[in-house]
Amino acid sequence: DTQMIQSPSSLSASVGDRVTITCRASESVNSYLNWYQQKPGKAPKLLIYGASSLQRGVPSRFSGSGSGTDFTLIISSLQLEDFATYYCQQSYSPPRTFGQGTKLEIK
Amino acid sequence: QVQLQESGPGLVKPSQTLSLTCTVSGGSISSGGYFWSWIRQHPGKGLEWIGYIYSSGSTYYNPSLKSRVTISVDTSKNQFYLKLKYATAADTAVYYCASYCSSTTCYANLDAFDIWGQGTMVTVSS
Repeated sequence: DTQMIQSPSSLSASVGDRVTITCRASESVNSYLNWYQQKPGKAPKLLIYGASSLQRGVPSRFSGSGSGTDFTLIISSLQLEDFATYYCQQSYSPPRTFGQGTKLEIK
Repeated sequence: QVQLQESGPGLVKPSQTLSLTCTVSGGSISSGGYFWSWIRQHPGKGLEWIGYIYSSGSTYYNPSLKSRVTISVDTSKNQFYLKLKYATAADTAVYYCASYCSSTTCYANLDAFDIWGQGTMVTVSS
């Protein structure tokens, strides 16, 4: 299985901050990397697919980059509604696997 | 707009079969080229893909659960199902159904889980 490791596991930030979350795959996943946002008690929501494509309806302050084994999710200017847990997920090889999550908390 | 809704018992006894249904509304389960998926989340933990099924009936399972899992579909009811045999406390989790848009079959070409149900908590306990 392709292991997905996110860093950091948790992060404290303030409204307006620029935040970077990284995801590393144990082997190349090409650009088959997705990012999800999950709020407490809710289902995950697709933010970014194909490493860098913004899902419809997702604010442009979210962006993704990377290919191969190293990927980045950037939130350019944090809003209150962005405090949540973020997961990366690879779709290159079965089984589909997720990172352990990065919890973004208010400082 | 396609919506997914999980249903099933919230409590399952150890060694019994965990059975869940996902009802698809707002669109046909047979169209769109989606793989219909089950994903679970242990309390306070990350996400684990269980498997998915195409409307043709082709299934793909996580090897870690393959010996105990069956996913099936009933296109006439616009529903798909999860059965997990020999449940243990380790199967206690929130279970989500989700649609997976594959670039090989789905127009949107996402290769991602794009629509999710709200999730249902299943506890395995006597």
